[in-house]
Amino acid sequence: NAGVMQNPRHLVRRRGQEARLRCSPMKGHSHVYWYRQLPEEGLKFMVYLQKENIIDESGMPKERFSAEFPKEGPSILRIQQVVRGDSAAYFCASSPAGVGEKLFFGSGTQLSVL
Amino acid sequence: AQRVTQPEKLLSVFKGAPVELKCNYSYSGSPELFWYVQYSRQRLQLLLRHISRESIKGFTADLNKGETSFHLKKPFAQEEDSAMYYCAPQSVNAGNNRKLIWGLGTSLAVNP
Repeated sequence: NAGVMQNPRHLVRRRGQEARLRCSPMKGHSHVYWYRQLPEEGLKFMVYLQKENIIDESGMPKERFSAEFPKEGPSILRIQQVVRGDSAAYFCASSPAGVGEKLFFGSGTQLSVL
Repeated sequence: AQRVTQPEKLLSVFKGAPVELKCNYSYSGSPELFWYVQYSRQRLQLLLRHISRESIKGFTADLNKGETSFHLKKPFAQEEDSAMYYCAPQSVNAGNNRKLIWGLGTSLAVNP
């Protein structure tokens, strides 16, 4: 089992471009969580998804950010019209069941907005 | 609001010394609490959860409901314990959705 795979590891975008971050959960895991870590800050919850459903998106900014976890394929975190403040490390975690279960983390995607 | 506080951003101890990483939370109901650790150049991973009452790598954590604390302790620190430690209690919101609330983390440095 390869573990949670995130790609790309590093993503550079210019202001106004779109960023797409991908997360493939561990085999057999149907729950995916996205977190953002800004410099000098802790992990901030963004969104919790199960296959084809958004369960909790209370941590997602209301504009420009969206997430999906389709029936087939990886979970995608999409940031439209990126701004410098979006520069951060974005982590994905998966679990076989809901929260309360052990989370398995990916290595993260470092987004840099120029 | 449900919060978790890790008051020490950086904790530096000598090898063989006892170490305690503090975690205080505000929570209503019965919490489920976790400690996660990130070693240098590695992924964030679960260290222990209070419900299992186990000791991992010599670390233990006791839930003190009266003080609302879940401090992580180890009697004799080792150099390989140097890492970033995150306390993460689980919260349940009005919609019965559960999520982990993360502390800002404590960077532990164990010096030889």
